[in-house]
Amino acid sequence: DIQMTQSPSSLSASVGDRVTITCRASQSITSYLNWYQQKAGEAPRLLIYAASTLQTDIPSRFSGSGSGTDFSLNISGLQPEDFATYYCQQTFSSPLVTFGQGTRLDIK
Amino acid sequence: QVQLVQSGAEVKKPGASMRISCKASGYVFTSYHIHWVRQAPGQGLEWMGKINPHTGGTTYAQKFQGRVTVTWDTATATFYMELSSLRSEDTAVYYCARDSIAVSGSLRVEYLPYWGQGTLVSVSS
Repeated sequence: DIQMTQSPSSLSASVGDRVTITCRASQSITSYLNWYQQKAGEAPRLLIYAASTLQTDIPSRFSGSGSGTDFSLNISGLQPEDFATYYCQQTFSSPLVTFGQGTRLDIK
Repeated sequence: QVQLVQSGAEVKKPGASMRISCKASGYVFTSYHIHWVRQAPGQGLEWMGKINPHTGGTTYAQKFQGRVTVTWDTATATFYMELSSLRSEDTAVYYCARDSIAVSGSLRVEYLPYWGQGTLVSVSS
């Protein structure tokens, strides 16, 4: 199975900051990498698919990059509504897919 | 618009089975796969399995093999996920999600843009 490891597991930041969350795959997954945001009590929301494509209606302060085994989710100019938990997901081994363990982003 | 509406919360005894429904609307039912994902309290997302309603093919995570069954009813555009031999560790919110495919050259990247609202299942004696 392909393992997905996110780092950090949690981080604190302030409104207006730029943050980066990384996701590493245990083997190459080319660009089969998606990012989701989840707020407490809500279903996950797709932010980015295929490593770098912004989902419709997602603000442009979110961006994704990477290929192979190393990927990043960047949020520039943090807004209050961005404080949430973020998950990466690989679908290279579809039909079997896996999520990273999540990164919790808190207000400093 | 695409909607996935799940059944309500359930309380189960250890050893029992559960069945959650996920009613789809707003798209051609047989054209997209449905995934099931769960989230234990305070934990991350855990992928359980998926179904292709066009072929009937299913794939399950190894962890749930033998305990999980995903089915569907074309007449009502409803998917079902059944989990048997429940234990306390199965207490979680269960989500259904519909996929889409991004095609770029030789890449066909599957992703999950649509999610149900979640169903809380509590397993307790």
